[in-house]
Amino acid sequence: DIQMTQTPSSMPSSLGERVTISCRASQGISNYLNWYQQKPDGTIKPLIYYTSDLQSGVPSRFSGSGSGTDYSLTISSLEPEDFAMYYCQQYDSSPYTFGAGTKLELK
Amino acid sequence: EVQLQESGPGLVKPSQSLSLTCSVTGYSITSNYWGWIRKFPGNKMEWMGYISYSGSTSYNPSLKSRISITRDTSKNQFFLQLNSVTTEDTATYYCARYSATRDYFDYWGQGVMVTVSS
Repeated sequence: DIQMTQTPSSMPSSLGERVTISCRASQGISNYLNWYQQKPDGTIKPLIYYTSDLQSGVPSRFSGSGSGTDYSLTISSLEPEDFAMYYCQQYDSSPYTFGAGTKLELK
Repeated sequence: EVQLQESGPGLVKPSQSLSLTCSVTGYSITSNYWGWIRKFPGNKMEWMGYISYSGSTSYNPSLKSRISITRDTSKNQFFLQLNSVTTEDTATYYCARYSATRDYFDYWGQGVMVTVSS
């Protein structure tokens, strides 16, 4: 299985701050990397697919980048609704695997 | 709009089977792929498997001997059965649609918490 190492596990941050979450795969995944957001009420929604393509309806302050084994999710200016859990997920090979999650918290 | 809703018992005894239903509205399960993902206490997420538009299935090898995903197209529902559960199967279980064109889970249910305990 491909292991996804996601860092940091938690990130105290302030409104308006620019933040970056990283995800490193145990082998190259050819940009087959998605990002999801989980809100405190448990609802999960997709943010970014194929490394950098924004899901319809997701604000443009979210962006993704990366290649090979290293990928990142950036939020350019934190809004109150962005404080949530974030997960990366690879689909280069089965079984699909997720990172351990990053909790964005209000500082 | 595509909507998914999980249902099933919130408590299962060890060694028994866990059975969940995912009811889909707004889209036919005879298109795309339909999966189960679970989130453990402590936040780890695991892809469990999916059933395709044709009824073929793919499972996480870590579960292969215990898992079955089936469907009822007349009711637009698909199902998860996990056998011989232990306390380590305690998790929130999500059903989701997997987009075949974009290769990601684009619609999710709200999740159902299942506790395995005697």
